[in-house]
Amino acid sequence: AQKITQTQPGMFVQEKEAVTLDCTYDTSDPSYGLFWYKQPSSGEMIFLIYQGSYDQQNATEGRYSLNFQKARKSANLVISASQLGDSAMYFCAMREGGYTGGFKTIFGAGTRLFVKA
Amino acid sequence: GAVVSQHPSWVICKSGTSVKIECRSLDFQATTMFWYRQFPKQSLMLMATSNEGSKATYEQGVEKDKFLINHASLTLSTLTVTSAHPEDSSFYICSAYFYRERGGSYNSPLHFGNGTRLTVT
Repeated sequence: AQKITQTQPGMFVQEKEAVTLDCTYDTSDPSYGLFWYKQPSSGEMIFLIYQGSYDQQNATEGRYSLNFQKARKSANLVISASQLGDSAMYFCAMREGGYTGGFKTIFGAGTRLFVKA
Repeated sequence: GAVVSQHPSWVICKSGTSVKIECRSLDFQATTMFWYRQFPKQSLMLMATSNEGSKATYEQGVEKDKFLINHASLTLSTLTVTSAHPEDSSFYICSAYFYRERGGSYNSPLHFGNGTRLTVT
């Protein structure tokens, strides 16, 4: 069964600095996708970045990059040049490719990021 | 693209009444939609997978008679909380993925509605 672990309940970062949010996962399916979402206090879920299990390079989207270490089963999110608007809850998520997983996306417990001025 | 609309944004109802939440994919067809529940300061827990034209698949521990799901068309899924009680108060959020986005089953991101905050008094 697939599993996602985020061990940092909360993180603080100074504005304009970079921060890394940790995520580890477990699956026996060779095909899977990893996602990061941002949830501001308003509640909506915003898709940030995706990494596929067969991707050779780390994904990047603007200030977001994903540090994908397949052997260690980790998919950490790196936010560069933090902004006050980055303060939010961040969720790591995974979906397996095999049908037995039902194409369900499961989420980690989340990390609340606080950006300090 | 790939916009999901959810209505209502918030609802307050009395104990014992039923509440219907709608989830629409606005610019794509979604044969499958997913309903999640989120308690304050917690993660998203998958409640059920809604399949167009067939019965929903519920996760273990989710009462299918309490949380009725109907996916009557390729763009609309509804969640009805029947005989609601205060413990059903929560944030409910629907989602879908556009399978042609990134071209696969496991690499298309979920797109979420804005959620419905249900309060049962």
